[in-house]
Amino acid sequence: RKEVEQDPGPFNVPEGATVAFNCTYSNSASQSFFWYRQDCRKEPKLLMSVYSSGNEDGRFTAQLNRASQYISLLIRDSKLSDSATYLCVVNKDSSASKIIFGSGTRLSIRP
Amino acid sequence: GAVVSQHPSRVICKSGTSVKIECRSLDFQATTMFWYRQFPKQSLMLMATSNEGSKATYEQGVEKDKFLINHASLTLSTLTVTSAHPEDSSFYICSASGLGDALNSPLHFGNGTRLTVT
Repeated sequence: RKEVEQDPGPFNVPEGATVAFNCTYSNSASQSFFWYRQDCRKEPKLLMSVYSSGNEDGRFTAQLNRASQYISLLIRDSKLSDSATYLCVVNKDSSASKIIFGSGTRLSIRP
Repeated sequence: GAVVSQHPSRVICKSGTSVKIECRSLDFQATTMFWYRQFPKQSLMLMATSNEGSKATYEQGVEKDKFLINHASLTLSTLTVTSAHPEDSSFYICSASGLGDALNSPLHFGNGTRLTVT
């Protein structure tokens, strides 16, 4: 089993739709969680951290479920500019050097 | 926010030559730098972790003699791909964490280097 697993997609949804991704992690000791966005041939950029209580930033909502060991990202009212690959990132243990990237979920928003 | 500069952004070299990639933290002291490699349509894979002034720790399967990492100062780490081969062609990205960064702080990424070995 991979340490961090994501549905690779691609998700192809119309503009304005709501789309959700899940990401599962295997290490119950994982400490911190993030969603990054990566555009083609660019470096990943932090989209949002994921907190235990769940958090929202505009159209984006992140949730953490420690019992089931997954995190989710919900995008509402999707825009064309949301087209990208979304990476789930998990800090494997208490060491900052053990950050594991998921393989990414590709999202394509169509007009 | 914290800025990490990576240079060059793109390099094309001939097989057998060596290529050096620099990663600089511009406005903070990077105690730890990470080097990743990303092949097309795959995720970032950690190659090695370097702490300033000490030897890098390489991930399993990464040849330390082929990928030389130097982290001589708190603002600069370099990755040298020695005797490059076409299969080394990839997107190399550095990231850094600094003094005072909490364990749950996100990483600061360089803008990546696309290496093509012909």
